[in-house]
Amino acid sequence: QQQVKQSPQSLIVQKGGISIINCAYENTAFDYFPWYQQFPGKGPALLIAIRPDVSEKKEGRFTISFNKSAKQFSLHIMDSQPGDSATYFCAARWTTNSGYALNFGKGTSLLVTP
Amino acid sequence: DTGVSQNPRHKITKRGQNVTFRCDPISEHNRLYWYRQTLGQGPEFLTYFQNEAQLEKSRLLSDRFSAERPKGSFSTLEIQRTEQGDSAMYLCASRLLGETQYFGPGTRLLVL
Repeated sequence: QQQVKQSPQSLIVQKGGISIINCAYENTAFDYFPWYQQFPGKGPALLIAIRPDVSEKKEGRFTISFNKSAKQFSLHIMDSQPGDSATYFCAARWTTNSGYALNFGKGTSLLVTP
Repeated sequence: DTGVSQNPRHKITKRGQNVTFRCDPISEHNRLYWYRQTLGQGPEFLTYFQNEAQLEKSRLLSDRFSAERPKGSFSTLEIQRTEQGDSAMYLCASRLLGETQYFGPGTRLLVL
């Protein structure tokens, strides 16, 4: 398994602001990059995902920007809301001998203040 | 609620005891994953099943850990002779043919 490095570890944003979380990877064999949102006491839930042949994907207030040459991708949350306060994980999919598994970053704890 | 259920939700045990967790995936999902998540970290892959076959195991899965999926539906993860370092959230995820893994709420284990 190869590492996925995520930053920042924590983030405080005012309501209505833009939250930006960054991830970087080394293994060029990764072929799918999802972002998961996790609330306390819950399992991670898929938020948005991108393949490396696309540079940007937008779903509502959430956008992934992907830079294949730099091996970096980021999550932008526009018009951040207090309900977005959660831990966000980037992940990268790697292929095993018989299927796929995900390699997660360490997470970013986002707090959106009113 | 993703439709993946895990039981129990919480387990407190003494060091040296054996524990078993159960995961019920989304119906008809033939792929099932176990992950471990420690405080302040992302989930770490442990093992993967396709139907009843265990096709992949992480180096994190020591000999004290065993996972089964006997009928290709629910799965169990057993930890023998628990150690304090086993304290973590154990997450189960399932997938059908698509890319998305759907996670359950996890079982939080505390080893005293």
